[in-house]
Amino acid sequence: DVKVTQSSRYLVKRTGEKVFLECVQDMDHENMFWYRQDPGLGLRLIYFSYDVKMKEKGDIPEGYSVSREKKERFSLILESASTNQTSMYLCASTGRGDYHWEKLFFGSGTQLSVL
Amino acid sequence: GENVEQHPSTLSVQEGDSAVIKCTYSDSASNYFPWYKQELGKRPQLIIDIRSNVGEKKDQRIAVTLNKTAKHFSLHITETQPEDSAVYFCAASRSNFGNEKLTFGTGTRLTIIP
Repeated sequence: DVKVTQSSRYLVKRTGEKVFLECVQDMDHENMFWYRQDPGLGLRLIYFSYDVKMKEKGDIPEGYSVSREKKERFSLILESASTNQTSMYLCASTGRGDYHWEKLFFGSGTQLSVL
Repeated sequence: GENVEQHPSTLSVQEGDSAVIKCTYSDSASNYFPWYKQELGKRPQLIIDIRSNVGEKKDQRIAVTLNKTAKHFSLHITETQPEDSAVYFCAASRSNFGNEKLTFGTGTRLTIIP
């Protein structure tokens, strides 16, 4: 089974802090994604990456950056956390070599609260 | 970019009845339409998907229909059971052999009333 692991289940940070959310997948997947989930707004794509050192903006990239130095790891960075970034953050991956390559495998999520 | 609208936002049905959730999409080039189920406190998981060359797909009690002309697709759950209670998300993308970017709908909270 694909395992997508997010480093923290819950995080509490102060406004203005730099925040790192880490995600690791163990299935050699090429594609990795960061979504945020808010009630009534669904899952919105922040950033994604199709390969190491590659990154592309999703639908709501403002206030975020990402890093993909290794294939298995995709980090989401909040340069200066703000209260409107309080949300559930979900990491996901897909593998181009898989039969069902579009299937997203999600991590268990990080609930971030910015005070 | 793609825009996916999903209705209703909440849905309650008696156990044993059917449930239908509807989505519309804006990008006529989208060709892949999955549905994800998220149980309370858990991660979303793919339950069924359909490609644009197919009009309907079934998997036991769940089915998905696609109308490309009208740009809408629907999830049908028959003989609903308590374990069907969850949030359901539809999504759409241009499937491009590995470089997909899914756009999700806003979700439907389905409650099955025993």
